[in-house]
Amino acid sequence: DQQVKQNSPSLSVQEGRISILNCDYTNSMFDYFLWYKKYPAEGPTFLISISSIKDKNEDGRFTVFLNKSAKHLSLHIVPSQPGDSAVYFCAASGRGAGSYQLTFGKGTKLSVIP
Amino acid sequence: DTGVSQDPRHKITKRGQNVTFRCDPISEHNRLYWYRQTLGQGPEFLTYFQNEAQLEKSRLLSDRFSAERPKGSFSTLEIQRTEQGDSAMYLCASSLVGTGNNSPLHFGNGTRLTVT
Repeated sequence: DQQVKQNSPSLSVQEGRISILNCDYTNSMFDYFLWYKKYPAEGPTFLISISSIKDKNEDGRFTVFLNKSAKHLSLHIVPSQPGDSAVYFCAASGRGAGSYQLTFGKGTKLSVIP
Repeated sequence: DTGVSQDPRHKITKRGQNVTFRCDPISEHNRLYWYRQTLGQGPEFLTYFQNEAQLEKSRLLSDRFSAERPKGSFSTLEIQRTEQGDSAMYLCASSLVGTGNNSPLHFGNGTRLTVT
């Protein structure tokens, strides 16, 4: 039973355009959400997070939107750059930012085409 | 670079052998985590330490797995009598929690285990 779902295994976007990565969750107890980026042969790198008390968080080119009623979040990257090409993981926890246990999706591979 | 360090990066072993991995967390972090990632999946939680105390274990952590963090600094993960199903990337992460400004998990580059 996958509690965090990333239904698009891959996504291709032209450089300079917007990349939108989607994530759905089923566990209504989740209250904190994160996005990680992973390059080959490296560990996941934290990108951005959002608490369930918010519906948007922005950090430079990265914005995460949370729709609690739909149990859906998305990561927007604007403008997309070739260096953004990586696998993006959505993660969630049910104990806030201090949680020890993150539940990850399977990831979406983003390819930004120059 | 003072990130999370894992050793070795790769380990190939024969079924039935024991293996041990080491993780050095970010020095000021009080929590240390072990996750496992298999091909096509996201990382899955195995266990975590708050300082030297192991506070939670996933049901994924069978009796053949043992983790230690003896002085609240580095950690080791040992797998006894390895099986082919143990082949995976073992990721260590650390974070600082409880100071009023909790940090997200910072991951190392992992140890890739191949059991033949």
